[in-house]
Amino acid sequence: DTAVSQTPKYLVTQMGNDKSIKCEQNLGHDTMYWYKQDSKKFLKIMFSYNNKELIINETVPNRFSPKSPDKAHLNLHINSLELGDSAVYFCASSQRQGHGELFFGEGSRLTVL
Amino acid sequence: AQTVTQSQPEMSVQEAETVTLSCTYDTSESNYYLFWYKQPPSRQMILVIRQEAYKQQNATENRFSVNFQKAAKSFSLKISDSQLGDTAMYFCAFSGGTSYGKLTFGQGTILTVHP
Repeated sequence: DTAVSQTPKYLVTQMGNDKSIKCEQNLGHDTMYWYKQDSKKFLKIMFSYNNKELIINETVPNRFSPKSPDKAHLNLHINSLELGDSAVYFCASSQRQGHGELFFGEGSRLTVL
Repeated sequence: AQTVTQSQPEMSVQEAETVTLSCTYDTSESNYYLFWYKQPPSRQMILVIRQEAYKQQNATENRFSVNFQKAAKSFSLKISDSQLGDTAMYFCAFSGGTSYGKLTFGQGTILTVHP
């Protein structure tokens, strides 16, 4: 069983489209995250949810909207995709906020043409 | 805000030898965590080792150990008996203080292990 699973793993789409990436964790963790890894491999947090409540919202365009229907799921919806959105998006979870270690999903590579 | 700096963009080592990856960080917090994550070509982020700042003893996980110098804000990773499977990008990361609940990553160091 994969602890943190993301779908899809690869996504190729046109500029202006809307797309979603789903994430699920079966670790029983309270906190989930979305990170973006750019073309230079730099990793930066986008959002964090603790037990379905948004706790971290970094400077991210409004076109990105996370949704957490329950504490085991955190989805990312992106509207009006732009070329600069091309990146690998990682979902992660931790046992509780501030507990330290993050468990990552395999990443979803988004390519915007 | 916390920052993490990895000054070595690339490193290489021969199989079975030892290599050390550098990491420095900047924080005014006294309680925090430090991590090394490994990202092989498969893209998966894998935790290598973690260190709690309040612990003076350096963390060790099999062939991986750290040299944690709290006063110098330095957190280097030593890989002993390097193996081909250690080839990956290595990220140093910080969690604590106002960044509690998220990781702040360094720029990464690409490590290549040669046969």
